[in-house]
Amino acid sequence: NAGVTQTPKFQVLKTGQSMTLQCAQDMNHEYMSWYRQDPGMGLRLIHYSVGAGITDQGEVPNGYNVSRSTTEDFPLRLLSAAPSQTSVYFCASSYSGLAANTGELFFGEGSRLTVL
Amino acid sequence: AQSVTQLDSHVSVSEGTPVLLRCNYSSSYSPSLFWYVQHPNKGLQLLLKYTSAATLVKGINGFEAEFKKSETSFHLTKPSAHMSDAAEYFCVVTGYSTLTFGKGTMLLVSP
Repeated sequence: NAGVTQTPKFQVLKTGQSMTLQCAQDMNHEYMSWYRQDPGMGLRLIHYSVGAGITDQGEVPNGYNVSRSTTEDFPLRLLSAAPSQTSVYFCASSYSGLAANTGELFFGEGSRLTVL
Repeated sequence: AQSVTQLDSHVSVSEGTPVLLRCNYSSSYSPSLFWYVQHPNKGLQLLLKYTSAATLVKGINGFEAEFKKSETSFHLTKPSAHMSDAAEYFCVVTGYSTLTFGKGTMLLVSP
């Protein structure tokens, strides 16, 4: 089983460029989310979705957009990259529409982004 | 709102000795609590979870954690560390629709 697949694994951008991080899951999970991980900060929630067509902001949404047109895919868009967005990004999914009900998230292996 | 505090950023142990990773939490709800593990350059993996059943929870790879409501703690333990346990560990608490992660504890295991 593929589980949660993130692409690309590595990306270098220049300030002001835009890009999309892709996330796909093949487990028919309702809940999908994006986190960023920075040293000493743990994981911080960027955006999440409890089902197709429904998205909401997390703790650090500024500078990022998401959409959820299908159950399987949850892309994260950086509109105008800034050095502060240099980070490792993780996509995670859960079968429950409210991940808090179970807490069991399935993570991708991460996308390492550097903004120069 | 909920929050979680991992009391140690780094813990160093010798192989074969006990492991204790400490976590305190606060929550407006009756929380569910979890420990996740992250090995280098990998995603996070669920170790164990507490969801208001037994207060002593057993997880994978010999880890366990005890939920203590009076102390608002959920410490992770293992009787005997193995080299393969070297990783970063995250304590997580649930809110209404999201999860809040602690800042992580790096476990270092020496031979």
